[in-house]
Amino acid sequence: DTGVSQDPRHKITKRGQNVTFRCDPISEHNRLYWYRQTLGQGPEFLTYFQNEAQLEKSRLLSDRFSAERPKGSFSTLEIQRTEQGDSAMYLCASSLRQGQDTQYFGPGTRLTVL
Amino acid sequence: DQQVKQNSPSLSVQEGRISILNCDYTNSMFDYFLWYKKYPAEGPTFLISISSIKDKNEDGRFTVFLNKSAKHLSLHIVPSQPGDSAVYFCAAKAAGNKLTFGGGTRVLVKP
Repeated sequence: DTGVSQDPRHKITKRGQNVTFRCDPISEHNRLYWYRQTLGQGPEFLTYFQNEAQLEKSRLLSDRFSAERPKGSFSTLEIQRTEQGDSAMYLCASSLRQGQDTQYFGPGTRLTVL
Repeated sequence: DQQVKQNSPSLSVQEGRISILNCDYTNSMFDYFLWYKKYPAEGPTFLISISSIKDKNEDGRFTVFLNKSAKHLSLHIVPSQPGDSAVYFCAAKAAGNKLTFGGGTRVLVKP
């Protein structure tokens, strides 16, 4: 069990550029989640996949954000036309649909938009 | 609308003593509660959880208490160790799958 991994760990971009983050969940986990955390706040839910199906999206996920999980394994989160307000830590979590379904988090991707 | 609140932004405790972290919630549909610990530049690490059908769950030095009538839960760490210095988040889940987090409490354990 190697845990949830995320890539890159840090991303600095200029306003208006597109960025893409990757998340690899724990291998047997079929549920995958994206959260965003800004300074001094707790993580906020963005979206959730069960296998390859995106089952829930937050109102926080504007039209510039898109997430995919094409084969039910890794997931990508893309932000188009980045804005300074997108600067945050983007966290991925995974869980196994079993019992209370505890979510285990990756190390996060820190995005800075200049 | 902040459904999960951690009203103490920080807590300082002497090594070996008890740390008590508090969390209040407003949504009566929450039925599962979790505590996570977070070090700088890392993702949250799961610590302990409790279902709404219980009022206490214990795991080693960590105990979580749930008071449903007061919509309040607490995390007790006994004895506190310097390695426990981190930010602690309370989280809650309703029938869906998303977690709703509090704002966190920064704990500093002094040697």
